[in-house]
Amino acid sequence: AQSVTQLDSQVPVFEEAPVELRCNYSSSVSVYLFWYVQYPNQGLQLLLKYLSGSTLVKGINGFEAEFNKSQTSFHLRKPSVHISDTAEYFCAVSDREADSWGKLQFGAGTQVVVTP
Amino acid sequence: DVKVTQSSRYLVKRTGEKVFLECVQDMDHENMFWYRQDPGLGLRLIYFSYDVKMKEKGDIPEGYSVSREKKERFSLILESASTNQTSMYLCASSSHPGRGGGYTFGSGTRLTVV
Repeated sequence: AQSVTQLDSQVPVFEEAPVELRCNYSSSVSVYLFWYVQYPNQGLQLLLKYLSGSTLVKGINGFEAEFNKSQTSFHLRKPSVHISDTAEYFCAVSDREADSWGKLQFGAGTQVVVTP
Repeated sequence: DVKVTQSSRYLVKRTGEKVFLECVQDMDHENMFWYRQDPGLGLRLIYFSYDVKMKEKGDIPEGYSVSREKKERFSLILESASTNQTSMYLCASSSHPGRGGGYTFGSGTRLTVV
């Protein structure tokens, strides 16, 4: 089964600074990759996804992520954060071949705290 | 706007009670999922369903059961609530994975068992 590691549990960042959230997964088999964001007391919202094709994926709110198959990574970046980006971010993986139901395996989450 | 709706945002129940958490989606999705979310542990899959009346255990099914009598509704049942089931419960739905849509989540139910 897949496992997902988010290397940072919390990332403090100043407003307008760049941020990178790291995500590694366990298998090099064919995968779908996702990043979700969770604002306080809400469910998860899809930021972006990688299914196939270009390894650089652009999502909502100015976020982008790069799929690196050789390093089994899918790091999330934003060049300039806002206070409103304060939230928890989850990386998720679905194994295309082993799992026909599309179950997602989630990382433990990274809490981003943006300060002025 | 497509939606996954969880019937309660907050619930407080007593130890030993039978608890029902309801989830309804309006996207005609085949698959539905129940996760629990705990600090530092991320989301852990309890059960999922890929069709009406079909269900599969996830990673932590103990103490839970599910029901899917209609395509749009997926219920999570805590047979006898215990304090270690205090958690945030998230319901999600998805279309067939070949369409690569990912999940759509509900807003969550924060359950406290006292």
